[in-house]
Amino acid sequence: DQQVKQNSPSLSVQEGRISILNCDYTNSMFDYFLWYKKYPAEGPTFLISISSIKDKNEDGRFTVFLNKSAKHLSLHIVPSQPGDSAVYFCAASAQGGSQGNLIFGKGTKLSVKP
Amino acid sequence: DARVTQTPRHKVTEMGQEVTMRCQPILGHNTVFWYRQTMMQGLELLAYFRNRAPLDDSGMPKDRFSAEMPDATLATLKIQPSEPRDSAVYFCASGPRGDYSSPDFGPGTRLTVT
Repeated sequence: DQQVKQNSPSLSVQEGRISILNCDYTNSMFDYFLWYKKYPAEGPTFLISISSIKDKNEDGRFTVFLNKSAKHLSLHIVPSQPGDSAVYFCAASAQGGSQGNLIFGKGTKLSVKP
Repeated sequence: DARVTQTPRHKVTEMGQEVTMRCQPILGHNTVFWYRQTMMQGLELLAYFRNRAPLDDSGMPKDRFSAEMPDATLATLKIQPSEPRDSAVYFCASGPRGDYSSPDFGPGTRLTVT
């Protein structure tokens, strides 16, 4: 059973508009959440994270929102740029990552059209 | 600019052959992960080490896969014998000490078993 789910395999957005990528989790022990971005033929690169004591974390154009009661997080990219086109993975871990188990979703492929 | 390195980047082999993938984690990182990416499963955690000790390898098929860290600068993932269903991209990642950190991924090894 998948503990981290990204139900949208793909998303297409116009340049300059907002991109919203969603992620759901089932394990209530998760307390640390990350987003990674992956370009073809490269490894995933860290984008932004949030711990469960917060409900929002912002870094430039990227904001992650966490709704613990719904076990849901989302990544907002504003404004979207063509260079943001990539696969975005949501990941989660328990005990601040001290357990080591970083569990990933299957990813959402974002296409930003000029 | 510290990076996780992986060799080889590409490997094509015949079913039944042994495959060894190598990873050099970032100096000072004490946690090393092995992930496998497939279209169906996304990023699956195969195994991870902390301070060179294996903490969890429950994601690996034990009969054919083995993971080791002979020293702090080298992690290996072996498949013997390899099967076509092992074809995937294998990523190594390393994480720094402390909680709430974000592991750094290597570029991956693309394995094709014919």
